[in-house]
Amino acid sequence: EVQLVESGGGLIQPGGSLRLSCAASGFTVNSNYMSWVRQAPGKGLNWVSLFYADGRTYYADSVKGRFTISRDNSRNALDLQMNSLRGDDTAVYYCARSADHGGNLYFDLWGRGTLVTVSS
Amino acid sequence: DIQMTQSPSSLSASVGDRVTITCRTSQSIRNYLNWYQQKPGKAPKVLIYSASILQSGVPSRFSGSASGTDFTLIISSLQPEDFATYYCQQSYSTPGTFGGGTKVEIK
Repeated sequence: EVQLVESGGGLIQPGGSLRLSCAASGFTVNSNYMSWVRQAPGKGLNWVSLFYADGRTYYADSVKGRFTISRDNSRNALDLQMNSLRGDDTAVYYCARSADHGGNLYFDLWGRGTLVTVSS
Repeated sequence: DIQMTQSPSSLSASVGDRVTITCRTSQSIRNYLNWYQQKPGKAPKVLIYSASILQSGVPSRFSGSASGTDFTLIISSLQPEDFATYYCQQSYSTPGTFGGGTKVEIK
């Protein structure tokens, strides 16, 4: 079955670190565009980080310098290392795969999400 | 960044109604516009990609169109399972920004 399963969320104090992981099955992570998208409670969707199929990475300005996206080919997984966490990082974090239609990337597969709560 | 203005932010409609949701972009994005549906507590699901192409498995009552920087999602006859929040998203430039969402509620 083709799916994504996130793990690693939880309650963390401001300034702390957390590592999210997204295990993929049914396809290969390193051959696809893979992203982390987050959604604060009651709010809309925001693209956090992207790992291009060619190895380039992208970060939203709000997380640049604090978050690091990586791939683990041995686990067929996508990770997100989050440091210096702040209250406004509180959100459900989704792992998502993008399909490419003539240059248009759209999210065709999503995980169920993992909740990160930053609070003292 | 490309700005996305999605309207309305919410609407009330009845089963069988025709529903129209609009997304306007701050600059031309060609047809790099996608529509997602999200139900409470669930991940989003793609409905339409590249402005007008129906994702496999999505009912044909959903359709998308484009005119310049204005993009439209139409639900031709609203069904009970369509009550949800809908988001547009551009992928013309990084970051691939989302619209603010449209919550479709039962009248």
